[in-house]
Amino acid sequence: DGGITQSPKYLFRKEGQNVTLSCEQNLNHDAMYWYRQDPGQGLRLIYYSQIVNDFQKGDIAEGYSVSREKKESFPLTVTSAQKNPTAFYLCASSPTGGGSSYYEQYFGPGTRLTVT
Amino acid sequence: SQQGEEDPQALSIQEGENATMNCSYKTSINNLQWYRQNSGRGLVHLILIRSNEREKHSGRLRVTLDTSKKSSSLLITASRAADTASYFCATDASRQNFVFGPGTRLSVLP
Repeated sequence: DGGITQSPKYLFRKEGQNVTLSCEQNLNHDAMYWYRQDPGQGLRLIYYSQIVNDFQKGDIAEGYSVSREKKESFPLTVTSAQKNPTAFYLCASSPTGGGSSYYEQYFGPGTRLTVT
Repeated sequence: SQQGEEDPQALSIQEGENATMNCSYKTSINNLQWYRQNSGRGLVHLILIRSNEREKHSGRLRVTLDTSKKSSSLLITASRAADTASYFCATDASRQNFVFGPGTRLSVLP
C-alpha cells in the first residue's frame, strides 16, 4: 500500500516548545515538500528537498527546520521561534526528472498543530 | 499577491448542475495543475495541463488554458454531492516547486 503518511493527525503543544512533524513516503520519490495551510487559505511552501541531504527554503521558512537524511523521510520541526505555529501542515512528494513541476504532487493526510 | 488566484472564492450549486471555476496567474508557466481538497484532508491531483495545450479532459472534468490571458478554467459537469470540496490551481513558479492559489470552495447541494 503505497503513499505518504503523516503522524500524528492532531498535535497539541505549549508555547515555547519545539515540535517535530513526521512525513514518510514509500513511493520512491526524490522530491518532498512541506506546506502550511491556514483556515480558508491556500498552501504556502515552507521547505522542499529535491534529493537526500539537500533542501531549500520556501516562502515561509522562518521558525521552521527540516532534515533529509533518508529518501523516504522528511521531518519538519516547528521551533519556538515560529510566531504563529497553529495551522494545518501538509507534506507532499513528487518524482523528478526534467524538473519536478512536470509531475503531480502526492499529498499526505496532514497534521493539525495547535499551540497554546 | 499570489501567482495563481481562483475565482470565485465560493460556489454553491444544485446536484446535476455544472460548476465552473477559474484561475488567473501573473507570470509565464510551463504547466498548470488542479487539485481537490476535501475538508481537513490532503490534496488530490486532478489534472495537469501543459503550456502548449489548450484543453484537457478527464472523466467529468474539463480544463482549459489560455496563456494569452494567463488564465485557466476547471469545469465539472453533472456535479454530485461528493464533488463538494475546495479546488486549487497550482502553477510552477520555477521548475522545482509550485505556487497554489487560495482555492474555490464548492458546495454541491442534494
